Amino acid sequence: GDSVTQMEGPVTLSEEAFLTINCTYTATGYPSLFWYVQYPGEGLQLLLKATKADDKGSNKGFEATYRKETTSFHLEKGSVQVSDSAVYFCALRGSSNTGKLIFGQGTTLQVKP
Amino acid sequence: DAGVIQSPRHEVTEMGQEVTLRCKPISGHNSLFWYRQTMMRGLELLIYFNNNVPIDDSGMPEDRFSAKMPNASFSTLKIQPSEPRDSAVYFCASSLQTDYGYTFGSGTRLTVV
Repeated sequence: GDSVTQMEGPVTLSEEAFLTINCTYTATGYPSLFWYVQYPGEGLQLLLKATKADDKGSNKGFEATYRKETTSFHLEKGSVQVSDSAVYFCALRGSSNTGKLIFGQGTTLQVKP
Repeated sequence: DAGVIQSPRHEVTEMGQEVTLRCKPISGHNSLFWYRQTMMRGLELLIYFNNNVPIDDSGMPEDRFSAKMPNASFSTLKIQPSEPRDSAVYFCASSLQTDYGYTFGSGTRLTVV
């Protein structure tokens, strides 16, 4: 079945460092891909999405490109801030269009001043 | 828009007691999802509804768990009897079936002692 695999955390960076969080997926057909962010004590929030191959999703300085050839959707940010400290989830929605999202295990990011 | 509203925010109960978690989705959304989040297992999809009809309950752990959606603006997740291993944060999320993003509630932190 469909699945998502993220790099294990925690990821600890200094402020203004470059961020990459790896995400790869297994799915049949042409899934849609997402990144969600969860701040402490809150629910998940949609960060960005891409619905077809080679699409780039972007929001708040974060970017991810849908790479079908490598089945990847890595999250990047050029310069992280302390306020970016959170848990990041990669997710996919299969091509069956049921609306069901499958999440990766989450990667904790800690940014130090 | 008030977003997805969950109640209560926190629940502490004794083993064997019945627990009912509540969710009010965003008006107009026709898909509703219940997730459970723990450190050990991450985010698990328990059940989801489209147009108030349960579509997939394969994630419901056992018969002690049940979920209902009597109308488009309300859903409940019930655990009877509760056990300490049910302790987790339970999230409700809603979306338009034809849309790509979920909106999550703030969650209910359940502690069974």
